Amino acid sequence: NAGVTQTPKFQVLKTGQSMTLQCAQDMNHEYMSWYRQDPGMGLRLIHYSVGAGITDQGEVPNGYNVSRSTTEDFPLRLLSAAPSQTSVYFCASSYRQQGPITYGYTFGSGTRLTVV
Amino acid sequence: ILNVEQSPQSLHVQEGDSTNFTCSFPSSNFYALHWYRWETAKSPEALFVMTLNGDEKKKGRISATLNTKEGYSYLYIKGSQPEDSATYLCAPPKGFKTIFGAGTRLFVKA
Repeated sequence: NAGVTQTPKFQVLKTGQSMTLQCAQDMNHEYMSWYRQDPGMGLRLIHYSVGAGITDQGEVPNGYNVSRSTTEDFPLRLLSAAPSQTSVYFCASSYRQQGPITYGYTFGSGTRLTVV
Repeated sequence: ILNVEQSPQSLHVQEGDSTNFTCSFPSSNFYALHWYRWETAKSPEALFVMTLNGDEKKKGRISATLNTKEGYSYLYIKGSQPEDSATYLCAPPKGFKTIFGAGTRLFVKA
């Protein structure tokens, strides 16, 4: 199993450009999330999904869109890149243990994005 | 406690020392608490999922306890080794939304 695969690993964008960060998992996990890692701020939740066709906002959703058309894929779209979106982005997936309780998340290897 | 708080922010110990750190979280509507280990330049890895008050989990030299009534969990590392150097994150999922604490950064000096 590949686990959670993120592409690209590195990206440099100019301010105002748009792009899509790809995330795919092959574990048939229901839950998928996008986080960004900023120095001194840990991991902050951008958007999450509880299944195909269902997404919701996290702590810092502005400037990002997501969709979940299949169980496997959860792409993150930057609509108009800004320097404040320079960060490391992690995609993670998990599945239900019991009721609303999930197992621990499996993380992708991250995408390092720089906006100039 | 309105949010997840982890203390201390960072910790420097010598090889062989035992250490512990704290995760405090809102005790209302508790479902579970996750602990993760995050080494520099890698991705976070799940350590424990804790659900019951009084729960204790163990993985090698690392163990964790949970108090859901007062809203805290302790992570213990016995006989720290340099390879234990990492950031340790806790996260109490709220429904299907998992928000992390800022973490405790552990440095173990050989």
